[in-house]
Amino acid sequence: DTGVSQNPRHKITKRGQNVTFRCDPISEHNRLYWYRQTLGQGPEFLTYFQNEAQLEKSRLLSDRFSAERPKGSFSTLEIQRTEQGDSAMYLCASSRGAGKADTQYFGPGTRLTVL
Amino acid sequence: SQQGEEDPQALSIQEGENATMNCSYKTSINNLQWYRQNSGRGLVHLILIRSNEREKHSGRLRVTLDTSKKSSSLLITASRAADTASYFCATVPGGADKIIFGKGTRLHILP
Repeated sequence: DTGVSQNPRHKITKRGQNVTFRCDPISEHNRLYWYRQTLGQGPEFLTYFQNEAQLEKSRLLSDRFSAERPKGSFSTLEIQRTEQGDSAMYLCASSRGAGKADTQYFGPGTRLTVL
Repeated sequence: SQQGEEDPQALSIQEGENATMNCSYKTSINNLQWYRQNSGRGLVHLILIRSNEREKHSGRLRVTLDTSKKSSSLLITASRAADTASYFCATVPGGADKIIFGKGTRLHILP
């Protein structure tokens, strides 16, 4: 069990550029979640996948954000035309998908800074 | 939106003392979970309590849940320096399949 991994760990970009983050969940986990966390706040839910199906998207996820999990394994989160307000820690988590009481295991996060 | 609200926002105690953090939430829940986050290990799941449970223990952790008051508490006994972290309560609303986190309590253990 290598845990949830995320790449890159840090990303600095200029406003208007596109960025893509990758999340590799724990191998046997069916569910994959994306969260965003800003300083002094708790993680905010963005979206989640059950295998390759994206089942829910938060209203926080504007049209500039897109997430995919093409083969039900790793996932990517892309932000187009980044804005300074996108600066945050982007967290990925995975779970077995056994139900509502399922424990989520979090990756270390990708810290995005938009200049 | 964030459902859970932790209290206090920050807490400093001497090593060896007990630390108590509270969480209040707004809607009915399926379960409530507590997570810890520090710079070294990221966000880690600590304990889950279901809506039909009132108290749960795990090592030095004790969690209570009062669904009539929509509140929970996390007690850490015999605190250690390594307990310094932010603690978040996270609820799973009754009709939802996702976790909603509070803003957290920043706990600092003084040597």
